[in-house]
Amino acid sequence: DAGVTQSPTHLIKTRGQQVTLRCSPKSGHDTVSWYQQALGQGPQFIFQYYEEEERQRGNFPDRFSGHQFPNYSSELNVNALLLGDSALYLCASSLVDTQYFGPGTRLTVL
Amino acid sequence: GQNIDQPTEMTATEGAIVQINCTYQTSGFNGLFWYQQHAGEAPTFLSYNVLDGLEEKGRFSSFLSRSKGYSYLLLKELQMKDSASYLCAVSTTRGDDMRFGAGTRLTVKP
Repeated sequence: DAGVTQSPTHLIKTRGQQVTLRCSPKSGHDTVSWYQQALGQGPQFIFQYYEEEERQRGNFPDRFSGHQFPNYSSELNVNALLLGDSALYLCASSLVDTQYFGPGTRLTVL
Repeated sequence: GQNIDQPTEMTATEGAIVQINCTYQTSGFNGLFWYQQHAGEAPTFLSYNVLDGLEEKGRFSSFLSRSKGYSYLLLKELQMKDSASYLCAVSTTRGDDMRFGAGTRLTVKP
C-alpha cells in the first residue's frame, strides 16, 4: 500500500517565477491538506481539499492556490515567488481524523 | 486565534524517560496530535488524543487534559534513534486542518 507521494523532491526557482507541486494521497484517502514548513518551525496550514473543493484555508495570500483532481491527487501552485517562500512543502492525506504526510518538496527561491 | 506552546529543545540520556509538554489555547478544540519528525524528513504520526487521559502505545504514551489545555508525550527507554523533533498539533471542530506548535527538538545522548 503506497503512502503519500510528492513530486518533485527538490526545486530551485527564482523570484517572480511560478511553481507547481504535486501530491498523490494514500490509497483510500479523499482529503488532501498542504502545509509550509520553514526551517526550525512547525508546519503551517495552507489549505485543504475535499471532493475537488477548497474546504478550508489558512493565513496565506492568494498567490497560493490549489486543485484536487477526481482521483484525489492534488496540486499546489505558487505564483510570483518570493524569497520567503523557500521552505519544505508538505502534503498530508486523510480519510477521517489522522493525517499522514508525504516526504515533502524542498523549494528554494533565489 | 490559537496558541500552541512547547519547549524548544530538550536533552535526555539513552535508556531514560523524557516528558515533552504542550499547552494550547484554542476555541472549538477537537483533538490533539503528536508527530515525530527527523531532520529533513516528513512528520510521522505518533498519537491522537480526543478524550482526557493517557493513551499508551509501546514506548510512547500521550496524555491529554482538555480542561487544562495541556498534553504531554512520554518517551520511555530512550534510544538514540528517538533524537528528532516532536510536534504537537491541535484540530478544531471548525474543520479538519491541524495547527502545529513549533516543535521540540529532542537530543538523546549516550
